[in-house]
Amino acid sequence: KAGVTQTPRYLIKTRGQQVTLSCSPISGHRSVSWYQQTPGQGLQFLFEYFSETQRNKGNFPGRFSGRQFSNSRSEMNVSTLELGDSALYLCASSSPSYEQYFGPGTRLTVT
Amino acid sequence: QQQVKQSPQSLIVQKGGISIINCAYENTAFDYFPWYQQFPGKGPALLIAIRPDVSEKKEGRFTISFNKSAKQFSLHIMDSQPGDSATYFCAAMKAAGNKLTFGGGTRVLVKP
Repeated sequence: KAGVTQTPRYLIKTRGQQVTLSCSPISGHRSVSWYQQTPGQGLQFLFEYFSETQRNKGNFPGRFSGRQFSNSRSEMNVSTLELGDSALYLCASSSPSYEQYFGPGTRLTVT
Repeated sequence: QQQVKQSPQSLIVQKGGISIINCAYENTAFDYFPWYQQFPGKGPALLIAIRPDVSEKKEGRFTISFNKSAKQFSLHIMDSQPGDSATYFCAAMKAAGNKLTFGGGTRVLVKP
């Protein structure tokens, strides 16, 4: 099976702009979770989608949002970017037995 | 609130030695405990995972030990190899929630 794919892999944006990141899960996996990884805060959970519904949400401001499509692909959006949003954004695809498999991530740099 | 505490932050081990990483959790509702390995520029890769109904699980050179009463679990890497040099993360989750809470990570360096 193909693994989790994320696009784009690298992104440079300016403060105040918005960004959309995309994730395609492993075929057959219906749950997609998003995480933010920074050197200071480590790996933090953003939100999880299952069958197009957000089931869980982490402690991030409303500028962070996401959605899932009927084919299980997911997107996350960050509006009004801040310097502190610079991070590696990781998408994980969950198997029915709860194992989460991560994609390579999108490296976002906000200048 | 840091719900999963991981130690040490970094570790240097000689080739062939044993690397041991420890984690402690607070939330007794957690019932799934995976370990991930991450190389620079890559996403975390699932190494091995355990549920609280067993005290030990071994896959190749990797072993998880789990102590439910102490709310602790650890990863042992036997016969460590230079290719094992990476950052390792423990995590915990309520299995139905798909929300992983990660430890802070341990950077392991295996010297040849």
